[in-house]
Amino acid sequence: AQSVTQLGSHVSVSEGALVLLRCNYSSSVPPYLFWYVQYPNQGLQLLLKYTSAATLVKGINGFEAEFKKSETSFHLTKPSAHMSDAAEYFCAVSHSGAGSYQLTFGKGTKLSVIP
Amino acid sequence: GAGVSQSPRYKVAKRGQDVALRCDPISGHVSLFWYQQALGQGPEFLTYFQNEAQLDKSGLPSDRFFAERPEGSVSTLKIQRTQQEDSAVYLCASSLKVTSGVDEQFFGPGTRLTVL
Repeated sequence: AQSVTQLGSHVSVSEGALVLLRCNYSSSVPPYLFWYVQYPNQGLQLLLKYTSAATLVKGINGFEAEFKKSETSFHLTKPSAHMSDAAEYFCAVSHSGAGSYQLTFGKGTKLSVIP
Repeated sequence: GAGVSQSPRYKVAKRGQDVALRCDPISGHVSLFWYQQALGQGPEFLTYFQNEAQLDKSGLPSDRFFAERPEGSVSTLKIQRTQQEDSAVYLCASSLKVTSGVDEQFFGPGTRLTVL
C-alpha cells in the first residue's frame, strides 16, 4: 500500500520568494516519486521525478526536489517564485513492483504568487 | 506535437442519464489510464489498458462504470445511470511503453462531468 500526504492545501508566497511545497509518502517498497503541476483547464504536466538515481532531482521551470528516505519526504522547492508558477501542484508515488503503473496522488497544493 | 486530447471538455447530465467520455492518446502510446479527480482531491486511478487489453479495472467505483479501447488507440469511459457522486473531472493519460512505475504518464485536459 502506498499513500501521499501534502501539507497545506493552499500556499501563498511573494514574487521572488522561496517556494516550498511539502510532500510525505508512505510505501512498503522503494518508491518512485513525482511532482506534477496543473494549470487551470489543463492536464497535469510532469515537473520532475525521483527514480533512485540521485536524491536531488532537478526539474523544469527551476524546480527541484530532494528525496529523504529517513524523513519519507520529497519536498518541492524553487529559489525564487514567478507569477507564472501560480498553479496546483500534486505529489505522486508509484513503485517498481506489481501494479506499479498506478500513480497514487496527494490532494494537491494550490500555489498563489503575490506580486 | 499533439498531446492527449479528451472530449467533451464539459458535460452536464441529469441524474440517471448515460454518458460517454472519449480519450485520444498520443499516437503510438501503448498504455492508457483513466483517473477520477473529485473537487479538491488528487486524481484517483480507475483503470489501465495495455493496447486493447484492459489489464486492471480495480479502481472503477461501481459496475455502472465501463471502459473500452477496442483498437488499442482511442478509449471511451462510459458511465451508466449517472448519480450526483459521479460529478468529477475524468482524466485520461497515456504512456509510450508497457508501463513500469517509472514511466511518465502524459495527461489530457480532462472532462468535467456535472450530474444534476
